[in-house]
Amino acid sequence: AQKITQTQPGMFVQEKEAVTLDCTYDTSDPSYGLFWYKQPSSGEMIFLIYQGSYDQQNATEGRYSLNFQKARKSANLVISASQLGDSAMYFCAMRSYTGANSKLTFGKGITLSVRP
Amino acid sequence: DSGVTQTPKHLITATGQRVTLRCSPRSGDLSVYWYQQSLDQGLQFLIQYYNGEERAKGNILERFSAQQFPDLHSELNLSSLELGDSALYFCASSVVWDALRGEQFFGPGTRLTVL
Repeated sequence: AQKITQTQPGMFVQEKEAVTLDCTYDTSDPSYGLFWYKQPSSGEMIFLIYQGSYDQQNATEGRYSLNFQKARKSANLVISASQLGDSAMYFCAMRSYTGANSKLTFGKGITLSVRP
Repeated sequence: DSGVTQTPKHLITATGQRVTLRCSPRSGDLSVYWYQQSLDQGLQFLIQYYNGEERAKGNILERFSAQQFPDLHSELNLSSLELGDSALYFCASSVVWDALRGEQFFGPGTRLTVL
């Protein structure tokens, strides 16, 4: 079974500073993908970044980067130069390559508030 | 805008009733997923279709059913509604179902309130 754990309480960051959102996962599958999604107060789910379990380098997408530590089973999201629009709920998710089921398993999410 | 559309945006109904939620995937995407987001359960996978065929089932109640039509749009039917079915229902789509990366792009969701 797959499990995603996000245990940080609500996070606060000053505008223009960097912030790290923690995510640990558990799976017995050798091949899997890790995703981060953003959910603003309007409710939609926005895909941010992807990391494959066999990727040699940490993924980056603009101001988002993923600090992937496979041995520790962690996939932390780093947001650089925070903006007010980054205030939202952030979800870590994973997908294992079972060939028959490509569902995403989500963590409970972390609320990020960016202060001006 | 992800390109995935869902209707209606909001739905208010009474216990015992039946509702249908509709989803149109992004152009070219063959796979459709349904998720339920509630305060107590978080985001949970319900069911997946690929090119009209059911591929996987998650925590979907027997009162719920879904299908994907030849034009690839999908409908989620919820019947004998209970108060606990109140939630945000998301549809997501991806190009393929068996590729590891296969980002899923989410629609705006349908907020269901059961009174």
